[in-house]
Amino acid sequence: NAGVTQTPKFQVLKTGQSMTLQCAQDMNHEYMSWYRQDPGMGLRLIHYSVGAGITDQGEVPNGYNVSRSTTEDFPLRLLSAAPSQTSVYFCASSYIGIDQPQHFGDGTRLSIL
Amino acid sequence: AQKVTQAQTEISVVEKEDVTLDCVYETRDTTYYLFWYKQPPSGELVFLIRRNSFDEQNEISGRYSWNFQKSTSSFNFTITASQVVDSAVYFCALKGGGANSKLTFGKGITLSVRP
Repeated sequence: NAGVTQTPKFQVLKTGQSMTLQCAQDMNHEYMSWYRQDPGMGLRLIHYSVGAGITDQGEVPNGYNVSRSTTEDFPLRLLSAAPSQTSVYFCASSYIGIDQPQHFGDGTRLSIL
Repeated sequence: AQKVTQAQTEISVVEKEDVTLDCVYETRDTTYYLFWYKQPPSGELVFLIRRNSFDEQNEISGRYSWNFQKSTSSFNFTITASQVVDSAVYFCALKGGGANSKLTFGKGITLSVRP
């Protein structure tokens, strides 16, 4: 059982480059989300989705795009990377329901030079 | 708006000491859920416990225990007889009762357990 899989694990980009962080889950979870973790800031929600074809913004959405064409996949796109987007990114999934705990991927460590 | 405050940023204890990690939350919802997650040095996030707003019973799981008090809006986590393997960052999180409610995390507490 793979759970939530994030790729890549590490990435270095130059300012202005674009890239997509991949997230896939095999638990048939309806809810998927992206967080970024910065020192002293905890985890902040970027975007989330409650099902295929439905996405919405979280706390810090600027500079990021998402789409949800299938239940399994929820990629996060950086359109024009900026140094402020240097962070560790976590993808999470869960069943719908406010009591459902999130299952997290192992994270992607992204550095923007 | 909902908020989670973890006022302690770093705690250092010697192995076998008991340690309590504090969590204070704010929400206007009458139905909500509280969570604790552990992030060991390897970086992954591990779910520890979930508690709903209607259940104020304390919970014990081995050396871990949780004290939920609605009167003080607190959901504190105690590790008894701490071990080096307990060294990690611990996050408290809150999810409100609305259909589109989001999970709000505190800033985390870094716990170091020294041998």
